[in-house]
Amino acid sequence: EIVLTQSPGTLSLSPGERATLSCRASQSVSSSYLAWYQQKPGQAPRLLIYGASSRATGIPDRFSGSGSGTDFTLTISRLEPEDFAVYYCQQYGSSPAITFGQGTRLEIK
Amino acid sequence: EVQLVESGGGLVQPGGSLRLSCAASGFTFSSYWMSWVRQAPGKGLEWVANIKQDGSEKYYVDSVKGRFTISRDNAKNSLYLQMNSLRAEDTAVYYCAKDLGGGGVFGGPFDYWGQGTLVTVSS
Repeated sequence: EIVLTQSPGTLSLSPGERATLSCRASQSVSSSYLAWYQQKPGQAPRLLIYGASSRATGIPDRFSGSGSGTDFTLTISRLEPEDFAVYYCQQYGSSPAITFGQGTRLEIK
Repeated sequence: EVQLVESGGGLVQPGGSLRLSCAASGFTFSSYWMSWVRQAPGKGLEWVANIKQDGSEKYYVDSVKGRFTISRDNAKNSLYLQMNSLRAEDTAVYYCAKDLGGGGVFGGPFDYWGQGTLVTVSS
């Protein structure tokens, strides 16, 4: 099973700032099968990025993903008030076992 | 519009059973892998199981192998999760999730999610 470790656990920033979230895998994620989700309280997760860098339908271009192998990054270029939420990375291609990271909470400073 | 509506959650005693259902609409259900994902109260996301379009492949997280069974009925556009020998640690909101398609060999990622159904295992 591939273990995903997200950092930091909590990120405190202000609207308008740039956010950089990290996801590190315990072994290489094949074909960059790495996704990012956003979850707000009381809501289901929302797919943001798949294939490490492809934005899902309707996702603003301030969200971008990068990385390969074992190191991946989600960047939010300029934070909007609605971006404060919990973010999860997920690997889905390397084995039958799909796994999520433990999450990064993005909070307003 | 894609809709996924879960049902069947509730309070069950340890060792008991529940069957969750997910009614899908707004897309060609038989063309996509489908998954169950759970979230314990205040915790992160955990993938539970998934099933291939025709039901020929099914995969489970280790902690539920031998206790949970995922299935689907493409004629009814429905996904199911039969949960037996339930434990306190199975307490969670269970989400039904649709594959984006064109992704990994073993399914994923998930572009649509239901609203979730709460399963509470307690005496």
